[in-house]
Amino acid sequence: NAGVTQTPKFRILKIGQSMTLQCTQDMNHNYMYWYRQDPGMGLKLIYYSVGAGITDKGEVPNGYNVSRSTTEDFPLRLELAAPSQTSVYFCASRAQETQYFGPGTRLLVL
Amino acid sequence: DQQVKQNSPSLSVQEGRISILNCDYTNSMFDYFLWYKKYPAEGPTFLISISSIKDKNEDGRFTVFLNKSAKHLSLHIVPSQPGDSAVYFCAASGQAGTALIFGKGTTLSVSS
Repeated sequence: NAGVTQTPKFRILKIGQSMTLQCTQDMNHNYMYWYRQDPGMGLKLIYYSVGAGITDKGEVPNGYNVSRSTTEDFPLRLELAAPSQTSVYFCASRAQETQYFGPGTRLLVL
Repeated sequence: DQQVKQNSPSLSVQEGRISILNCDYTNSMFDYFLWYKKYPAEGPTFLISISSIKDKNEDGRFTVFLNKSAKHLSLHIVPSQPGDSAVYFCAASGQAGTALIFGKGTTLSVSS
């Protein structure tokens, strides 16, 4: 099992550009999450999904969108990149009470 | 307003000694607590967890203690090893399906 995979590992965006962060899990977990981590801070929830076709907002959803068309994939979309979205983004899936994280995508918006 | 607090940003310990990382929470509805370990440029890795119905959970060198009345939990690592040097995050969850609430993390440095 590969677990949770994320692409790309690193990306530089210009202000106003858009991009999609990819997340895939091969553990057949229903629950999936997107977090962001800013320097010196804990992880904050952006969006989550309890199963294919169902998504909901987390603590910091503004500027992001998600979709969940399959159990495996949970992409995160940035439509108009802003410097405040410079962060490290982690995707996770959940089995029982434990969440398992991907390696992260480091995003720099200039 | 932080619901999960790790008040010590860093901790330095000598190899072989005990490391104690602390975490406080404010929400009495939390019923499950987890510790994650994170190396630079990697995602958090699950370490150990504890349900609110227990006060202790042990896994090898790692033990988590929960004091519900004080809303406090701690992670003990005995003996500490240089490979334990990482950022440790405390996290809590409430209702099933809700996301984890994370503390800001404590950077542990274990010197040989």
